[in-house]
Amino acid sequence: AQSVTQLGSHVSVSEGALVLLRCNYSSSVPPYLFWYVQYPNQGLQLLLKYTSAATLVKGINGFEAEFKKSETSFHLTKPSAHMRDAAEYFCAVSDASSGGYNKLIFGAGTRLAVHP
Amino acid sequence: GAVVSQHPSWVICKSGTSVKIECRSLDFQATTMFWYRQFPKQSLMLMATSNEGSKATYEQGVEKDKFLINHASLTLSTLTVTSAHPEDSSFYICSASGGAILGGELFFGEGSRLTVL
Repeated sequence: AQSVTQLGSHVSVSEGALVLLRCNYSSSVPPYLFWYVQYPNQGLQLLLKYTSAATLVKGINGFEAEFKKSETSFHLTKPSAHMRDAAEYFCAVSDASSGGYNKLIFGAGTRLAVHP
Repeated sequence: GAVVSQHPSWVICKSGTSVKIECRSLDFQATTMFWYRQFPKQSLMLMATSNEGSKATYEQGVEKDKFLINHASLTLSTLTVTSAHPEDSSFYICSASGGAILGGELFFGEGSRLTVL
């Protein structure tokens, strides 16, 4: 079985500060890992994904994440926060052997607040 | 990029009525579609997996007679909440897979907020 744990349901940063959203996963098979962003009353937008290639993954809007197998982590970072980054962020895991993208298991989500 | 559209975005209905939500892949054929449910300030919970032309596969605890899913074509899946009750009020989100052609990536709809009075 696969699962995702996002540490911290709420994260607040100042504009221009480093953003760090934590994600740890559990998987008995090689995982595919994803970060999605959700703005209020909207669906999900893919930020980035890890699919067993490079461990440091760069995504849209300046976000990146590093897959660390030894730590079973896939933390999301951004060097400098913008006000528009305020949203809900979800980490998700999928089974690589099934093709990777199907049947995503989501973490509980982290709400990022950015203050001036 | 690939677009998935849901309709309606918002729906309010009376208790006991049925509501249909559509999920369409606008510019690609979706071999598989997924339906998720999201309660306020919570994560997405997978309800069912829908494959075109076959019966949906429901996750444990999801009532298949309550949440009817139809995937009649490669571009359309529908979720019908039958005899809706206030506890069915939620945000329903669909996602569609374009298969190997689109690298297997999932594309999400905008979501449909259901409020049952």
